[in-house]
Amino acid sequence: SAVISQKPSRDICQRGTSLTIQCQVDSQVTMMFWYRQQPGQSLTLIATANQGSEATYESGFVIDKFPISRPNLTFSTLTVSNMSPEDSSIYLCSARGRMTDTQYFGPGTRLTVL
Amino acid sequence: AQTVTQSQPEMSVQEAETVTLSCTYDTSESDYYLFWYKQPPSRQMILVIRQEAYKQQNATENRFSVNFQKAAKSFSLKISDSQLGDAAMYFCAYRTSYVQGGSEKLVFGKGTKLTVNP
Repeated sequence: SAVISQKPSRDICQRGTSLTIQCQVDSQVTMMFWYRQQPGQSLTLIATANQGSEATYESGFVIDKFPISRPNLTFSTLTVSNMSPEDSSIYLCSARGRMTDTQYFGPGTRLTVL
Repeated sequence: AQTVTQSQPEMSVQEAETVTLSCTYDTSESDYYLFWYKQPPSRQMILVIRQEAYKQQNATENRFSVNFQKAAKSFSLKISDSQLGDAAMYFCAYRTSYVQGGSEKLVFGKGTKLTVNP
């Protein structure tokens, strides 16, 4: 299984600002994903991070609000832009390797927007 | 669209006892994957067990096993010899085996909070 790290682990931000979350995988992976977990809720996929091209967003999520980059096979970033208190959530990165059908998750980033 | 339902928001079990967490799902596909993930207070999502729909044999991982009933679209998790460290939120998840438009998203249930009593 892949070992996934995320930075920062938590942050408290002011409304109207932006935060970039980094996700690093210890080995080359085929697919990387970003999920959101709102307080007391389940996980919802934001987008699939594609290497070298634009991310594929799920319904209800847009690139202007959640720009994603994936410059190589082991690294991705998610930016939460123009934040409001409704963006307070845990943001999780996951990855799937070439030889598995299983997604493994990072430790998550707990974001609080005041 | 696929949906996953976990009908037990909370469950409790005595240490060393056995507990079963329920999960049902709705899909029109014949081939897919099912997962149970565990999320302790540290919030790290940890894979507990996975099942491929085409396999009739129920998956087992040490003290964790599943009862996969494909016709009934049921995928329950049994935890034997429960330990204090098993206390966590447990999420059931579905994934299509067909990559559509580049999305391999996991569809999660709402979770079951498991408490283990000493």
